[in-house]
Amino acid sequence: EAGVTQSPTHLIKTRGQQATLRCSPISGHTSVYWYQQALGLGLQFLLWYDEGEERNRGNFPPRFSGRQFPNYSSELNVNALELEDSALYLCASSSYRGPGANVLTFGAGSRLTVL
Amino acid sequence: QKEVEQDPGPLSVPEGAIVSLNCTYSNSAFQYFMWYRQYSRKGPELLMYTYSSGNKEDGRFTAQVDKSSKYISLFIRDSQPSDSATYLCAINDYKLSFGAGTTVTVRA
Repeated sequence: EAGVTQSPTHLIKTRGQQATLRCSPISGHTSVYWYQQALGLGLQFLLWYDEGEERNRGNFPPRFSGRQFPNYSSELNVNALELEDSALYLCASSSYRGPGANVLTFGAGSRLTVL
Repeated sequence: QKEVEQDPGPLSVPEGAIVSLNCTYSNSAFQYFMWYRQYSRKGPELLMYTYSSGNKEDGRFTAQVDKSSKYISLFIRDSQPSDSATYLCAINDYKLSFGAGTTVTVRA
């Protein structure tokens, strides 16, 4: 079974540009989560999509946005890039419908560098 | 106040030592507590999770939760160089809230 796949692996942009990151969840998973992992800050929750809808977002500015497609894949867009956006962006998927633990399976991440 | 606090280390131990990792959390309503392991240049992978208070053992790994003190722990017995990684605790509601991660190096 294929895991969570993310593309691109690496992305280099300059300040003010836009970045688009993509994620394909595990087959059968309908929820996609995005996290930012900046150096020394751990994983910060960005966005949660389920069944095509944005369900919740973390404490990030509106220039971080995304969507989920009918096949449950997702993309994360970051507009007006700033230097501090340089980080590893991790996508995770889940088939959680409760109760019990919501186990997230992560992809390998997309490394965004803003120059 | 952050939902989960974790000492980022780093932690360096000799092979065969017991590794002890700890986190504290703020919201007593949480019921599920997880530990993820992240190797360099990889995404985090689930090690194990526990429900409410108590211990859970899986091979050389033991997870403990003390809800009275809002304290979660992971112990690695007979540590191996292959255990060198970053260990992240997480609490589970509709998403996972992670600690900062502790980087562990097991020296051969």
